[in-house]
Amino acid sequence: QKEVEQNSGPLSVPEGAIASLNCTYSDRGSQSFFWYRQYSGKSPELIMFIYSNGDKEDGRFTAQLNKASQYVSLLIRDSQPSDSATYLCAVKDNYGQNFVFGPGTRLSVLP
Amino acid sequence: SAVISQKPSRDICQRGTSLTIQCQVDSQVTMMFWYRQQPGQSLTLIATANQGSEATYESGFVIDKFPISRPNLTFSTLTVSNMSPEDSSIYLCSVDIQGAGNEQFFGPGTRLTVL
Repeated sequence: QKEVEQNSGPLSVPEGAIASLNCTYSDRGSQSFFWYRQYSGKSPELIMFIYSNGDKEDGRFTAQLNKASQYVSLLIRDSQPSDSATYLCAVKDNYGQNFVFGPGTRLSVLP
Repeated sequence: SAVISQKPSRDICQRGTSLTIQCQVDSQVTMMFWYRQQPGQSLTLIATANQGSEATYESGFVIDKFPISRPNLTFSTLTVSNMSPEDSSIYLCSVDIQGAGNEQFFGPGTRLTVL
């Protein structure tokens, strides 16, 4: 069974700090990796995706992928209170159409 | 991306009744997905709905309980049948956009409470 693991948190960081969110996955055939942000009472919204080893940057967000270690992370620089949300890691392989979501990490950015 | 709407946004239902949730997309998409998110939990895929074929259900979900229709490329419905309090959850539809990452985009969700 394909599994995606995340620390449930809550992860608390002070405003302006770097928040680091981690995700591991069990299926070595996984090819695409996604980070979603979900505010309380809202639906998930896509932050970014990555499918090559290394780093991918988009504004304050950096996704890091290490397929050998089956590990993907999301860094949020200059964290803001508005970044407080649950962050969901999702994994997809090239053979299926389905995403497998992790349990999510709750981030709290303290002003 | 895609603009996705769901109806109703929320409902409170009695045990034993059924509720049909509608999902409308502003563009034609091949694949639509229905998820359930129970309080404090992550997303669990119920089924995948392709136009012109039967929905494919995940382990633990059956057609009699969660019948799905997909009459065209922009619309789908999910029915929650013979509801019990355990069905209280947020139900989300999503679509798979064949973009650079084949990412999924979500509708706003339907919050269901069963008394």
